[in-house]
Formats: sequence, structure tokens, C-alpha cells
Amino acid sequence: GQQVMQIPQYQHVQEGEDFTTYCNSSTTLSNIQWYKQRPGGHPVFLIQLVKSGEVKKQKRLTFQFGEAKKNSSLHITATQTTDVGTYFCAGPGGYNKLIFGAGTRLAVHP
Amino acid sequence: DSGVTQTPKHLITATGQRVTLRCSPRSGDLSVYWYQQSLDQGLQFLIQYYNGEERAKGNILERFSAQQFPDLHSELNLSSLELGDSALYFCASSPRDRADSGNTIYFGEGSWLTVV
Repeated sequence: GQQVMQIPQYQHVQEGEDFTTYCNSSTTLSNIQWYKQRPGGHPVFLIQLVKSGEVKKQKRLTFQFGEAKKNSSLHITATQTTDVGTYFCAGPGGYNKLIFGAGTRLAVHP
Repeated sequence: DSGVTQTPKHLITATGQRVTLRCSPRSGDLSVYWYQQSLDQGLQFLIQYYNGEERAKGNILERFSAQQFPDLHSELNLSSLELGDSALYFCASSPRDRADSGNTIYFGEGSWLTVV
């Protein structure tokens, strides 16, 4: 079935360093969504990418959708302690399912 | 605040028991999703309802069942509970049926279930 693979599983960075998480799908995706879950919290929608090669920015966060619409990345520039959490990508897994990647847990050391 | 309300927030129960988790979707949303998140695990899709009808099923155990009522709230019933069922159960809602462009899903704060 549809799978969304996400790497790395964990990432530890020093505050101020950059961070990137990657998401790969076995099939072409009509869209991909990114969510952030703070420790002890619930997933919160960040952004959705729809077009091939699309790049969207939210302050220090840059989201990219691959040309083949099978991969995506989230890059955070100059991480801050407020960036701590788990970042999930999610893509349609059939008509109705939204399938989440395993997530990348980001730890930021001050 | 996502607008999705889940109750109870925390629940401790014994093995073999049955519990019901409740979810009220965002105003206007017709789709309700249930996800399970075990400790240090990702989000496992359980089931989705749209306007009262079951639309998609994931890895939901036979001991678990769900339904969506005419007022669009949903309940997830977990029976014959086992220790391994301890997890955070999220409800989410979205305006439309399909997991396609623009149909963002919004999560509730979750119900922590501990089976002892």
C-alpha cells in the first residue's frame, strides 16, 4: 500500500544550526502536507504543497515539493528552541486516507 | 485551538474493559478521522467517516469500532482492552471527504488512554 517514508528519525542540532527533514513516497502524490507536533501536543497543520517543484516559505521554514511529486523536504534555517518537536509529512493514501510519515523528532540544544 | 474537541483528555482503565472516546469536529467539517499514536510512534490511521458514513479504514483492530452520528460527532469504542492499546488517540476533522488538495485536517488535543 501507499507508504510515506521520512528521514531522519531524530535530529539533534545546536541552536542556530539548520535542519532538514525529507519525505519520500512510493507513488506520485497529488499533494503533500506538513504538520508539527510539539512535545505533549497534537499535530498542527503547517502547509500544503500541490504543484510540482513548488517552494513555499514561512519565515525560517522552507517547504519544497519535488518535480516528480514523490518527495518533499522541510528546511529550517537557524533553528531556535521553539522549533523543538516532531515534524510529519502526510500524503493521500487512497481516496480518503491521509497517510503520515513516521516523523522527524527535532531537538535543539541552546 | 483547532476547534476539534475530544473527551476525555485522560483515561485509565483495566485490561478487558471497554471505553468510548468522543470527538466533536470543527464547525462545518463533515469528515472525522481517528488516529492512534503510541509512545514514540507515528500516527496510525484507524478510520474515517464522512457525513455519517464510513469512508476509509486503516489498521483498526476488530475490537475497535467507531461511528459518526447525525450531529457529526464521532465516537471510538475500544473493547477488550489490552496493555498494548495504551496510546494517544487523536480525532481530526476536515471539510471534505477526499484527502486531496485543500482538504486540510485539523487535530484535536487527543485522548490519553492508559490500560493497566
